[in-house]
Amino acid sequence: NAGVMQNPRHLVRRRGQEARLRCSPMKGHSHVYWYRQLPEEGLKFMVYLQKENIIDESGMPKERFSAEFPKEGPSILRIQQVVRGDSAAYFCASSRDREETQYFGPGTRLLVL
Amino acid sequence: EDQVTQSPEALRLQEGESSSLNCSYTVSGLRGLFWYRQDPGKGPEFLFTLYSAGEEKEKERLKATLTKKESFLHITAPKPEDSATYLCAVQEYNFNKFYFGSGTKLNVKP
Repeated sequence: NAGVMQNPRHLVRRRGQEARLRCSPMKGHSHVYWYRQLPEEGLKFMVYLQKENIIDESGMPKERFSAEFPKEGPSILRIQQVVRGDSAAYFCASSRDREETQYFGPGTRLLVL
Repeated sequence: EDQVTQSPEALRLQEGESSSLNCSYTVSGLRGLFWYRQDPGKGPEFLFTLYSAGEEKEKERLKATLTKKESFLHITAPKPEDSATYLCAVQEYNFNKFYFGSGTKLNVKP
């Protein structure tokens, strides 16, 4: 019974490039959440999605960041024109329903050179 | 304003030395409080969910309790493999996000 899957696990980009992070939720889960974690800090909420809908993007920077969760396929967090400050670990979590426990993937560690 | 505060930031224990981690929160209507364990380079691993004051949950050497303003994670006779960062998160009614604390980094020496 596979858990939440994220790829790539590590991603290196140069300033100005685009980063695409993928998340496949647990089987039976239709709610996906993205979080960002800076070194020695807690997780910060970015966005909450259900299939084909963005429910809450209040934690997402207004520019350069976007997220989607299409009807088929994984959820994608996209960062355009990356800057050094985007370097962080990005975690995806999924849940069966909004009120239920969120289960986390292993994360994608983004390094911007 | 921080909704979730964890203390201490770091805790060093000898193997077998019991202790408690604290998570205090200021959300207005608590839907649930969640404890996770995070090992270096990995994603948070779910431990417990608590929904109402007075509730307790146990798993091996860990016991989580909840009051109206805080939660404790009690660790009884810890072992080196309990070393990790323990994260607390809260979810409010009518909101979708979890608010995470900064975590307590636990180091258990043999």
